[in-house]
Amino acid sequence: GAGVSQSPSNKVTEKGKDVELRCDPISGHTALYWYRQSLGQGLEFLIYFQGNSAPDKSGLPSDRFSAERTGGSVSTLTIQRTQQEDSAVYLCASSLTGGDYEQYFGPGTRLTVT
Amino acid sequence: QKEVEQDPGPLSVPEGAIVSLNCTYSNSAFQYFMWYRQYSRKGPELLMYTYSSGNKEDGRFTAQVDKSSKYISLFIRDSQPSDSATYLCAMASNDYKLSFGAGTTVTVRA
Repeated sequence: GAGVSQSPSNKVTEKGKDVELRCDPISGHTALYWYRQSLGQGLEFLIYFQGNSAPDKSGLPSDRFSAERTGGSVSTLTIQRTQQEDSAVYLCASSLTGGDYEQYFGPGTRLTVT
Repeated sequence: QKEVEQDPGPLSVPEGAIVSLNCTYSNSAFQYFMWYRQYSRKGPELLMYTYSSGNKEDGRFTAQVDKSSKYISLFIRDSQPSDSATYLCAMASNDYKLSFGAGTTVTVRA
């Protein structure tokens, strides 16, 4: 079956612009996660959705970052007024339920802020 | 100090060798331990998942967890060039939030 998909695969933007990153989880997976992977760093947890609710936003690095999920499916991560330090690969994962450690990852969106 | 420490390598081995990877951690609440494999420009894929201490074997892969030492290992036997990738350890306590190591880059030479 189809895995987790993300778009765009690559995004180059100028400092100060807003960007939207999209994640389409595996059909039927109720839990969705966003992570950030910077060069030489491990994956950094950003936010977790159970259905359309985000009970844990603790990983969002600043108020420039926001995310939403609609219809219990697609999620969008928005970064406002991008900064160079936002350059990273943004990975989305989904799992059958919120307590399931078997998380399936998408290919990621590589964001470059110039 | 990072919660999960992993030597980034790189590690280069000849085909057929045993690859040995490890992570150490500081949070004694961690109970769930995972190894992910990530090919270049791809998302991580789950290889092994272990709960608490002990060993788990799956084909050529063996995962070991020593909670008393806060140390986990992954062994790959009879390594193949297709095993060339970055290997990430991850761990969790009793919620969904995974803490990852930085990843070890492995190259298996034909």
